[in-house]
Amino acid sequence: RKEVEQDPGPFNVPEGATVAFNCTYSNSASQSFFWYRQDCRKEPKLLMSVYSSGNEDGRFTAQLNRASQYISLLIRDSKLSDSATYLCVGQGNFNKFYFGSGTKLNVKP
Amino acid sequence: DAGVIQSPRHEVTEMGQEVTLRCKPISGHDYLFWYRQTMMRGLELLIYFNNNVPIDDSGMPEDRFSAKMPNASFSTLKIQPSEPRDSAVYFCASSLVGWGRTDGQPQHFGDGTRLSIL
Repeated sequence: RKEVEQDPGPFNVPEGATVAFNCTYSNSASQSFFWYRQDCRKEPKLLMSVYSSGNEDGRFTAQLNRASQYISLLIRDSKLSDSATYLCVGQGNFNKFYFGSGTKLNVKP
Repeated sequence: DAGVIQSPRHEVTEMGQEVTLRCKPISGHDYLFWYRQTMMRGLELLIYFNNNVPIDDSGMPEDRFSAKMPNASFSTLKIQPSEPRDSAVYFCASSLVGWGRTDGQPQHFGDGTRLSIL
């Protein structure tokens, strides 16, 4: 079992829709959490950190549930430019990062 | 501020040749990571360093791969001899120390080196 698991998708949604991704993590990857975005043939880029109290950045909301060991990302009012792969990341001991395999999002006109 | 800088951006070489990938981390970052990404296997951690010392090299596929970090501003990943199955995108990333903290410190990635072994 991987330390961080995600549904690979793809999620195909129309513009303006709200879409949510979840990922689960193991104890090894349980200190800090992040969501990254990766466009085709590009490097992963930090989208947002995930804080225990939940946090929001514009149309994006991240939440952490330590009791159930899952993290979520909610995207409201989807734009065509949101089409990408979203990577869930857990940070464990000795600063080791565990990446999920990514969830592909396609936003269609 | 400059981000993580990798070179070359693209490398095409023949099987059996030595390949050297280079990385300059963000100034002041304590950790440097090397990853490999393919469609089949996704993003794989190869090795990472803390203060120039390798911490975990369990992801290095075999003895043909080696990595060094001679100083805080430079690291290399070498493949010798290269094989077609080594074709992938190789990313370098760096971060500040984040574990043991509640706020965490994310990784920042370079643009990657697209490696093709013929």
